[in-house]
This record gives sequence, C-alpha cells and structure tokens, in this order.
Amino acid sequence: QSALTQPRSVSGSPGQSVTISCTGSSSDVGGYDFVSWYQHHPGKAPKLMIYAVSKRPSGVPDRFSGSKSGNTASLTISGLQAEDEGDYYCCSSVGTYAPYVFGTGTKVTVV
Amino acid sequence: QVLVVQSGAEVKEPGASVKISCKASGNTLSGQWIHWVRQAPGQGLEWVGLINPSGDITNYAQRLQGRVTVTRDTSTGTVYMGLSSLRSEDTAVYFCATEGRVALGPTKSFDKWGQGTLVAVSS
Repeated sequence: QSALTQPRSVSGSPGQSVTISCTGSSSDVGGYDFVSWYQHHPGKAPKLMIYAVSKRPSGVPDRFSGSKSGNTASLTISGLQAEDEGDYYCCSSVGTYAPYVFGTGTKVTVV
Repeated sequence: QVLVVQSGAEVKEPGASVKISCKASGNTLSGQWIHWVRQAPGQGLEWVGLINPSGDITNYAQRLQGRVTVTRDTSTGTVYMGLSSLRSEDTAVYFCATEGRVALGPTKSFDKWGQGTLVAVSS
C-alpha cells in the first residue's frame, strides 16, 4: 500500500493559519472515517493530535482541527505558535484488522 | 496514567534476528490493541503491524510479511516484535503504541506511545 501524499513543508508566521493536506484514494482516506494526525519531534514519541478525521483527544488545543473531502484529509492549525513547529503525519486505517498507512510527512515551520 | 516502556537499543549484523518488547509501567497493556511503527533515519513513519488483546489476531505491513512477527504474553502483559533476516534498511527506531478506544469502540488511532527502540543493523 502506497504512502498517503502530503506536502513536504508548510510555513507561517505566529498567529497565522496553516493547512496540511493528506491525499489518498477511495480505498483508504476516501473510504473510511479513520484518518488520524500525529505531531512528531525528532527523538521523541509521536503525539496524537486528531483521530476519526476531526476529533481532538483531551489536552490537544482547539487550534488544531481536522476535516476531509473526498480522498483528501486536512489538518488546520489556527493561531500558529512557535511550539507547533515539527513534523506532522496523517494516517489512515482501511478497516477492522486491516493494515494502516501513514502519509509522507510535512514539516511545519513558524517563521 | 499508563506509561508505555520499551526495551533498549539493539545492534545486529545483517541476516540476524531481533526481538524487542513493550510493556506498561504502572498499569497493564491487557485489553489493548498494540501497534508497531518504525522510522528509519531521515524517513517518515511506517506502520509495521498490530496484535489484538488476546493475541490471536495479527496483521503486518505487506512489505514486511514473512519477516515480522508480533506476539504477546498475556500473563505478563508484554508485547513483542520480532524481525528476522535483518537488512541495513531495517535500521530504524521502532515504536509500540496503544490503539485508542472511546465509548463507541476503537478509534483506529495510536494514543499512547513507547519511547522508541533503536535497532541498528550493521556489519
């Protein structure tokens, strides 16, 4: 199964909004509402930011939001802060007991 | 608060096998679906495999099929990932993670992660 496609990098100034896209197919992103997003800093464990397309785990700021249209999911960070810098990955499951696939990853830079 | 703890770094020669572990500190991984994810140097995250709570259902990334095995010891709550016929491209940090659950069922996402285990394959 091929990795989901994400832009290599996005950047924004503090306070701005950035959106990261995650494009798959009708067999993964488009076919199921099981898209999740992870923030990853080198040398640390990834952190779950969004699950089930648009749900935020407890403790994740409401600046982070998720959505999906067709075969493309999106993560939006509103009111960008310096601490939001890092790598972001989307992930999709294709059903019960089925394999998962990650996106190619996007580096977010706060300029 | 569940803290997921993994075994230490491993250095292996090409062709060898490795087995790393994952357990919970202060609680147990019993009842949890567990996944393994790896990140090779300079690369992105790659899903490796999963195991269900009773250990009788597993699934693996297609490109690792035949070389990877995920097992669990239900008596100790420890989950293991074994990888055989190691190649240089298997050099990576391997993470275990629990699958989240809410009232309506599994979330199909990874909510608690171990600290990662470096597996280095080198002659």
